[in-house]
Amino acid sequence: EPEVTQTPSHQVTQMGQEVILRCVPISNHLYFYWYRQILGQKVEFLVSFYNNEISEKSEIFDDQFSVERPDGSNFTLKIRSTKLEDSAMYFCASSALRDTGEQYFGPGTRLTVT
Amino acid sequence: QKEVEQDPGPLSVPEGAIVSLNCTYSNSAFQYFMWYRQYSRKGPELLMYTYSSGNKEDGRFTAQVDKSSKYISLFIRDSQPSDSATYLCAMKPQGGSEKLVFGKGTKLTVNP
Repeated sequence: EPEVTQTPSHQVTQMGQEVILRCVPISNHLYFYWYRQILGQKVEFLVSFYNNEISEKSEIFDDQFSVERPDGSNFTLKIRSTKLEDSAMYFCASSALRDTGEQYFGPGTRLTVT
Repeated sequence: QKEVEQDPGPLSVPEGAIVSLNCTYSNSAFQYFMWYRQYSRKGPELLMYTYSSGNKEDGRFTAQVDKSSKYISLFIRDSQPSDSATYLCAMKPQGGSEKLVFGKGTKLTVNP
């Protein structure tokens, strides 16, 4: 069964450093998303991406964040200058169709900022 | 009032019990209702997906949506220890935003 994959599974970085989180969405999916989950809190939407551009972003997704689809399979989230409060699980998701709610999530990258 | 509310539990049941998990919401624009299962430190796994009101059954799982009450439920019949996980409800409106709005999750333990 096709699935979303994410690398690395765990990333430790120092405050102020740049990190890139990588995702390979399900191959025939066209819509891509990033969510995050701070320990003990709700899963929160960060950004959606379609046709090589951001279609929607939340208030969390400020200028420190960027997304890119560098090739036909990868989808990345970059945090330019990490803060302690960026420590969270980051989930990539993808869907085949728009406006269905059927989003399939990857296993997540646990980001720890020290 | 929070957009999506979900009792965090924890909920502990014996194997074979019927489990009822619920969420309430305030945004009447929500039309798509999902249930995800999340094992500890793993990604949410889509379990059930429902559009608008009504019931949907898949094996031991039944999802119900009551839009008039802004209330959704997930029932698990003949619960198994492998069902032990956190169950998240999620919703989105039709058209416009693709953002899923999640509940906080209910932690379920099924005891053998």
